[in-house]
Amino acid sequence: SQQGEEDPQALSIQEGENATMNCSYKTSINNLQWYRQNSGRGLVHLILIRSNEREKHSGRLRVTLDTSKKSSSLLITASRAADTASYFCATDSTQVGSEKLVFGKGTKLTVNP
Amino acid sequence: DSGVTQTPKHLITATGQRVTLRCSPRSGDLSVYWYQQSLDQGLQFLIQYYNGEERAKGNILERFSAQQFPDLHSELNLSSLELGDSALYFCASSTRARVSGNTIYFGEGSWLTVV
Repeated sequence: SQQGEEDPQALSIQEGENATMNCSYKTSINNLQWYRQNSGRGLVHLILIRSNEREKHSGRLRVTLDTSKKSSSLLITASRAADTASYFCATDSTQVGSEKLVFGKGTKLTVNP
Repeated sequence: DSGVTQTPKHLITATGQRVTLRCSPRSGDLSVYWYQQSLDQGLQFLIQYYNGEERAKGNILERFSAQQFPDLHSELNLSSLELGDSALYFCASSTRARVSGNTIYFGEGSWLTVV
């Protein structure tokens, strides 16, 4: 079963607007990562946030993590048409024997020019 | 370009057949992961190898098997194929054995269509 669940499933915005995607997960985690996938292509790592971190920035990306709510958000500022892709959160659990990276079903972002 | 190479890119085969997907990890990476991506199941972890040994197992069917060779390339064997096995199969690699805190790098995937 999926560990992370992204919300919304799909998001359509205009170029220049900000895009916010959320991820909720079920078990305690060590780290949470965000990946991007262009249609039919491989996933590309965007950013990793550790369980003891609350916020992290990378260029136009801002990730927050709230371990008490078991949720994370990915904010893309000043979006561009090239940001159109699916975005996935991935978690690795603290549970012994569950050492694998589990992906959510993703948010499909469309940025309209 | 992630540095992870997968072949073939596309494959069409009939039900009941067997196929082998091949993966070359990034130079220096010892871990190889296989994932299956389908519309209904999303991205499912299948199996991980580290330096030739099976490291972690996910939702891999008994009809599927994998191995990692001494040169670190890996193969995923899918047998007795069913229509539901149609999916995009990804290989990924990383440097360390532990996935925790480790970035994994994905190949472009192998599209498998079972007809």
